[in-house]
Amino acid sequence: DTEVTQTPKHLVMGMTNKKSLKCEQHMGHRAMYWYKQKAKKPPELMFVYSYEKLSINESVPSRFSPECPNSSLLNLHLHALQPEDSALYLCASSQPFRGATNNEQFFGPGTRLTVL
Amino acid sequence: GENVEQHPSTLSVQEGDSAVIKCTYSDSASNYFPWYKQELGKRPQLIIDIRSNVGEKKDQRIAVTLNKTAKHFSLHITETQPEDSAVYFCAARVRSGGSNYKLTFGKGTLLTVNP
Repeated sequence: DTEVTQTPKHLVMGMTNKKSLKCEQHMGHRAMYWYKQKAKKPPELMFVYSYEKLSINESVPSRFSPECPNSSLLNLHLHALQPEDSALYLCASSQPFRGATNNEQFFGPGTRLTVL
Repeated sequence: GENVEQHPSTLSVQEGDSAVIKCTYSDSASNYFPWYKQELGKRPQLIIDIRSNVGEKKDQRIAVTLNKTAKHFSLHITETQPEDSAVYFCAARVRSGGSNYKLTFGKGTLLTVNP
């Protein structure tokens, strides 16, 4: 299995809602990532988990809360979002860069989030 | 932090022509440089990558060259086809505190191949 999967594909939520995005991979990768992508822009890194521990938080607002329950799963919990948070949220996975020669990072299809 | 500049932002070519996209990076410690292709509404897909111990890598119609001294790398697509039309992102692997690494992306190039 060489795919990263994400659910849901689309999500519409109000500013007071709580929702979660889910990501799964079965490639044995031990690094997983959340990116935010606005239209016509590059992916913008939010969080990195390495060996199920949060290793990078790019100063993301606390209304985004990541969770890595095990080496195959990555969640992003959303609460009290703003309309400007509407974007494509991409999950990715790879082997952790340190010590690895196989650095390829694979992206999931993304969740298109709209905050009303 | 690392800065990756990508040019041009848009590129239009005729089918069969070659396309070249160029990127420069600022961190001399960067040692891994992937290229991603993103079609409209789809995920970014890795199309080729190069490590700093190699000057050139080729995969069929796609090639990447790296000049470590000048800190720039380029994507070359030969015999372009309409299905090559997409946004292309270059990236550089950079250290992000301690032993953590991340990819920094260029702003992207919208390539249009006209039939």
